[in-house]
Amino acid sequence: AQSVTQLDSQVPVFEEAPVELRCNYSSSVSVYLFWYVQYPNQGLQLLLKYLSGSTLVKGINGFEAEFNKSQTSFHLRKPSVHISDTAEYFCAVIRAGSYQLTFGKGTKLSVIP
Amino acid sequence: GAGVSQTPSNKVTEKGKYVELRCDPISGHTALYWYRQSLGQGPEFLIYFQGTGAADDSGLPNDRFFAVRPEGSVSTLKIQRTERGDSAVYLCASSLGESPYNEQFFGPGTRLTVL
Repeated sequence: AQSVTQLDSQVPVFEEAPVELRCNYSSSVSVYLFWYVQYPNQGLQLLLKYLSGSTLVKGINGFEAEFNKSQTSFHLRKPSVHISDTAEYFCAVIRAGSYQLTFGKGTKLSVIP
Repeated sequence: GAGVSQTPSNKVTEKGKYVELRCDPISGHTALYWYRQSLGQGPEFLIYFQGTGAADDSGLPNDRFFAVRPEGSVSTLKIQRTERGDSAVYLCASSLGESPYNEQFFGPGTRLTVL
């Protein structure tokens, strides 16, 4: 079975500062990695995904993530956050050949003006 | 076009009652998923449909939970003899079904409260 650990439940950051949201996974087989965002009172929305190829993946709204197989990590980064980035962010994995997304517990990003 | 819709948005019921939660996927999406999100947790997989059939129901917690998708579009999640521990937000998602790695589009969820 696979699992996802999001190390920080809450991350406050000042507007225009950089941010990194951490995600580690464990699995005995190949997995594919995703970040989803949930804005207040909205459904989950895909930010980016890593399937293969370049380990640096760029997503919507200026976010990017880097897949590190040796550290089993897929941390999400943004060089300069905006107030509108305030949301909850979920890291998720799919085991190769499966349709089940396994989510972490989420990280609440609060951007302070 | 319209996204995934779920009805009702909120459902309050009493312990022991039966409830049905409905999901309307994006038109043309053959894959449909149900997840459950408890307070402070990430979504947890319940069941996956490809067309009309449940291709993977390994996430259903027990036999009180059942889901159908009779015409390959709308799906209903049914919970019998509800318990307080069933209180959660139930999420539905759909995707183009050719690949498991296609983006899953999520609905806004149904918040179920069992008193």
